[in-house]
Amino acid sequence: GAVVSQHPSWVICKSGTSVKIECRSLDFQATTMFWYRQFPKQSLMLMATSNEGSKATYEQGVEKDKFLINHASLTLSTLTVTSAHPEDSSFYICSARGARARDPYYEQYFGPGTRLTVT
Amino acid sequence: AQTVTQSQPEMSVQEAETVTLSCTYDTSENNYYLFWYKQPPSRQMILVIRQEAYKQQNATENRFSVNFQKAAKSFSLKISDSQLGDTAMYFCAFMKEAQGAQKLVFGQGTRLTINP
Repeated sequence: GAVVSQHPSWVICKSGTSVKIECRSLDFQATTMFWYRQFPKQSLMLMATSNEGSKATYEQGVEKDKFLINHASLTLSTLTVTSAHPEDSSFYICSARGARARDPYYEQYFGPGTRLTVT
Repeated sequence: AQTVTQSQPEMSVQEAETVTLSCTYDTSENNYYLFWYKQPPSRQMILVIRQEAYKQQNATENRFSVNFQKAAKSFSLKISDSQLGDTAMYFCAFMKEAQGAQKLVFGQGTRLTINP
């Protein structure tokens, strides 16, 4: 159980275009989803936290107009990179957790990640 | 703000040896959780072990165990009888309640290589 998927696993887009990444919890309802960014050989940096049905909370330094996050259902969150540029190229990872009462260990389940390359 | 420090960028041991990865953290919280995650070449984050700060007993999961020293704010991971499949990046992470969500703060990571 507790499987999180991401789609696509790898995407190449041209500079100036937008790209959407999906994160799905396959066998549980995710009340909260997290989006991370990981540069090569570096750690994961939290970009934003989203709760189902409400606006995402962005970390300091993350442009909310550039990285649009939608968490419209309990099983799906999307990250849209708008007007992408080469510096947005990175590995994006989502994670999801269930409602507190059903998740006593406060564990986040991670998706397999999406590699974004902007040319 | 919480910080997590992993002072060993890389480590390498022979198969079947025991290896210990270090992690220290800084927090003023009393209740929190600590985790070790493994990220193999596939880049899928895998939870290795977790520790609740209010528990004095060190967590153990098969070949993986931790040495949790709350006063020293230290949380090391010991891998016994290391296997080739243990080769991966290992991240130490801290989590506390924050505005209703649980934010994970990761260390810089330790690249562990198990040699045959």
